Amino acid sequence: KAGVTQTPRYLIKTRGQQVTLSCSPISGHRSVSWYQQTPGQGLQFLFEYFSETQRNKGNFPGRFSGRQFSNSRSEMNVSTLELGDSALYLCASSFESGETPLHFGNGTRLTVT
Amino acid sequence: SQKIEQNSEALNIQEGKTATLTCNYTNYSPAYLQWYRQDPGRGPVFLLLIRENEKEKRKERLKVTFDTTLKQSLFHITASQPADSATYLCADTDKLIFGTGTRLQVFP
Repeated sequence: KAGVTQTPRYLIKTRGQQVTLSCSPISGHRSVSWYQQTPGQGLQFLFEYFSETQRNKGNFPGRFSGRQFSNSRSEMNVSTLELGDSALYLCASSFESGETPLHFGNGTRLTVT
Repeated sequence: SQKIEQNSEALNIQEGKTATLTCNYTNYSPAYLQWYRQDPGRGPVFLLLIRENEKEKRKERLKVTFDTTLKQSLFHITASQPADSATYLCADTDKLIFGTGTRLQVFP
């Protein structure tokens, strides 16, 4: 079974630009969640989608948005990039939320200059 | 606010010893906790889940405990090996809260 795939692996953007990250979950998994990981803050939850609906949202500004398609693939968008948005963005999928283990992709490393 | 805290300092131990990592939660009581392993440049990988009514869970050389009195979960790796070197994360995936992780370094 193929794992969670995130593209691209690396991105370098300039302040003020926008970026779209992509996540393909494990086949059959309906829940996709996104996280920002930085050395100081650790893993912080951004949002979760289940069957194309946003079910949970973390404490991030509206510049961060996402969506999920009917095939469960998900995208995350960050507009008006700031230097502080530089981080590893991780996507995770699971069959259901709660106790079901999360299966993470290897992330997209975003650098904002 | 609800928090999960892990010792952010690296834990260095000698091969063959038991590594013990700590996860403390504050201002709430999680129904369960999950432990993940993360290698550099990779996403976290699920290891174990323990529920609040379970004292202990084991999987091969791994053991995790849940102490609701101390508000703490301990993660043990017995007979540690250099290949166990990684960052270990504690998480409440119900509340979507993760600890910052503890980096374990096992020296031969």
